[in-house]
Formats: sequence, C-alpha cells, structure tokens
Amino acid sequence: EDQVTQSPEALRLQEGESSSLNCSYTVSGLRGLFWYRQDPGKGPEFLFTLYSAGEEKEKERLKATLTKKESFLHITAPKPEDSATYLCVLQGGYNKLIFGAGTRLAVHP
Amino acid sequence: SAVISQKPSRDICQRGTSLTIQCQVDSQVTMMFWYRQQPGQSLTLIATANQGSEATYESGFVIDKFPISRPNLTFSTLTVSNMSPEDSSIYLCSVGSGSGDYGYTFGSGTRLTVV
Repeated sequence: EDQVTQSPEALRLQEGESSSLNCSYTVSGLRGLFWYRQDPGKGPEFLFTLYSAGEEKEKERLKATLTKKESFLHITAPKPEDSATYLCVLQGGYNKLIFGAGTRLAVHP
Repeated sequence: SAVISQKPSRDICQRGTSLTIQCQVDSQVTMMFWYRQQPGQSLTLIATANQGSEATYESGFVIDKFPISRPNLTFSTLTVSNMSPEDSSIYLCSVGSGSGDYGYTFGSGTRLTVV
C-alpha cells in the first residue's frame, strides 16, 4: 500500500537554527514527490518536485533531497516567516496523490 | 502555473442545508480535483471532475452528498448537501500544472462550519 509518513509532527526552532524535516514513503511506482507549504487558512503552495533518488532542489533557505525511501526538506537559517505546515505529497500509480500529515514548523525570533 | 479563484472563503451554515463552492481557473484544464481537509489533518481527495463526464468519487464519498458540476474547462462547483457538524472542514479545489515540475495548484480553500 502506498504510504507517506512525515516526522516530526511539530518542530519549534529559533531563528537561524537549521534543521530538517523527514518524509518516509513506500510506493509501488513513484511518479514524483512534491513538497508544499501551507499557511493557516490557505491552500497548499507548491515548493518542489523531485523525481528520482539523488535529486536535489533548492529555493532560498529550503533544499529538498530524495532517496529511494525518504525525502528531506532542509531549512537553513530559518526566519519567522518560514513558519507554516510543510506537506510531503507522493504521486503514485494512476497519478493519484498521497498526502503526508504534515510537519508544523514554528520559527521564533 | 494556473491561478484558481475559490469562493466563498468561509461560511457558517445551519445543519440540514447545502452549500455550493465554486472554483474558477484562469486557464483550461482537463481535470479538477476536490479535497477535504478536516481540522488538524491532511488533505483527502473527494472526487475528480472531468468536463463532459460524471465526476469520479473516492471511497467514502458519494454523489448524493457531494454533487459536482463541471460545465466547462475552467469552472467547477462542489455542493455539500444536507450538512451536519461532521462536514465542518476546509474544502479545496486543485488542478494539475500540465507539467510535474510545477506540481498541482490549489485554491485558497473554503472554511465551512456547520452549526
């Protein structure tokens, strides 16, 4: 069964304190892995797509990496405006999307 | 990537009534998706709406409860019928970008509270 597990559920960081969010997955045929950011009361906002193990993508303070079983979202020197819920989403067979439960990130000044 | 206008952004409804949510996309798209996000949880797909055909519903969701219209390639509605407090959720529509490099675009969501 296709499955996505994100950890931790919640993460509190001080401004400037780098960390990583984890997304473990099992899927029969990976078509793509997405990372989204969701602010309270808003729809998810697209960050990255990763397709194959070894792939990395960066955007500002965020860097996403992919292995055959996991993806990491690395946050370097976070700022309070990075506070949000980060969703890991698999695109599996038949292009069906499988959503992780998300990691709630709070960055305090 | 596409831009989606979703409305209403929020509503408070009486139990037993119905609410229709609208999504307008700024470009033509083949498939539109409707999701529910219950408090503190991630997104669950309700149905996929193709223009010119009946929507395809996921397990646990039925057309009588969540009728969907898709009159053209830029517009869709989701109705939440005969509402109960358990229907209180955020409802979102989504479309593909046409390229996996840009993922899927989501509307801003409709926060529904049933009292």
